[in-house]
Amino acid sequence: AQSVAQPEDQVNVAEGNPLTVKCTYSVSGNPYLFWYVQYPNRGLQFLLKYITGDNLVKGSYGFEAEFNKSQTSFHLKKPSALVSDSALYFCAVRDPVRAGQNFVFGPGTRLSVLP
Amino acid sequence: KAGVTQTPRYLIKTRGQQVTLSCSPISGHRSVSWYQQTPGQGLQFLFEYFSETQRNKGNFPGRFSGRQFSNSRSEMNVSTLELGDSALYLCASSFRDRDYGYTFGSGTRLTVV
Repeated sequence: AQSVAQPEDQVNVAEGNPLTVKCTYSVSGNPYLFWYVQYPNRGLQFLLKYITGDNLVKGSYGFEAEFNKSQTSFHLKKPSALVSDSALYFCAVRDPVRAGQNFVFGPGTRLSVLP
Repeated sequence: KAGVTQTPRYLIKTRGQQVTLSCSPISGHRSVSWYQQTPGQGLQFLFEYFSETQRNKGNFPGRFSGRQFSNSRSEMNVSTLELGDSALYLCASSFRDRDYGYTFGSGTRLTVV
């Protein structure tokens, strides 16, 4: 079965500092991996995805993520955090080989960027 | 370009009633998926439609159903509401397929009393 873990419920970082939001996954094959962000009272917004190719993926709003197959991780990063980055972040995985499999979302990590 | 539109935004229903939620995807998007979001269970997949056909279904009871129309608009229905159905119901559409990346609506917050 496929699963996603986001080991930190909450991440606090000072504005201007680099940020990392962690995600680890478990699938039987090669995963499709996504990051979404949710602002209060809004739906989720797509940030970036890894399907195949370069392990370093660049996405919206200056975010990037690195796919690490040996560590089964897909951590979200940004070199310099903004207060406006404060939101709830979700990692999602799908095993494309297994027919009928849809996305499994992690529990979410709340990011607070302090001014 | 209009985003994914979900109506209504808020809904209060009584236990035992039924409810229908509506989702209008982004123009040109043919894939529509529904998710239930609760504080305890997080995001859980309900179903996915593509060109009026249900392509996938999550592990929800038969009280939860959906459909997609020829214009890609989608509805989901919950019959015989239970208190535990209180949640934020999110609709997501995708241009080509789910792996292209979803655009989510703002959701319908359903409260069952």
